Amino acid sequence: GEDVEQSLFLSVREGDSSVINCTYTDSSSTYLYWYKQEPGAGLQLLTYIFSNMDMKQDQRLTVLLNKKDKHLSLRIADTQTGDSAIYFCAESIGGNTPLVFGKGTRLSVIA
Amino acid sequence: GAVVSQHPSRVICKSGTSVKIECRSLDFQATTMFWYRQFPKQSLMLMATSNEGSKATYEQGVEKDKFLINHASLTLSTLTVTSAHPEDSSFYICSARQTTYSNQPQHFGDGTRLSIL
Repeated sequence: GEDVEQSLFLSVREGDSSVINCTYTDSSSTYLYWYKQEPGAGLQLLTYIFSNMDMKQDQRLTVLLNKKDKHLSLRIADTQTGDSAIYFCAESIGGNTPLVFGKGTRLSVIA
Repeated sequence: GAVVSQHPSRVICKSGTSVKIECRSLDFQATTMFWYRQFPKQSLMLMATSNEGSKATYEQGVEKDKFLINHASLTLSTLTVTSAHPEDSSFYICSARQTTYSNQPQHFGDGTRLSIL
């Protein structure tokens, strides 16, 4: 079955880089996503990557995909206090299929 | 970019009340929308898939008579929690994907926090 795993907590100092890791099991996953959730809010789409890509960069965010190992990572450069939130990794096989979420990684940024 | 609007953002009501939550895609059409439930400090749990013009598909363990879903148009899906009880208190989030293009991601509403007294 489908499963997405993430570490639950990450703590970094302001200005450092954060790397949040995710592993998934479904080899037919076509799309992989990173969402951010702040307290009491919904999910904000940060970025996503197709399975035929290895890397995607968008300003401070870099996504790396190792399809062989089914490993996805999100790197946040120059982490700020406003980046403190829960980050969810999710995967989908595309079309109108629902997303499968990891349990979320709580990122704490220390000033 | 694509925007999904969810209303209301917060509901507090007495036990036995039925509560309707709306999910709208504001600038795109969505034949399929998804309803999730999130308990405190937990991940999202898929409740059902809402299909425009047809019956919703519910996940195992989700009571379809308790959580009524209507997807009457390409931009609106509603979730009605019927005769809500305290155990139904939760954070409910909907998502939608632009139907026109096959590689569009899902976008989420801001969620509805439901508190049943």
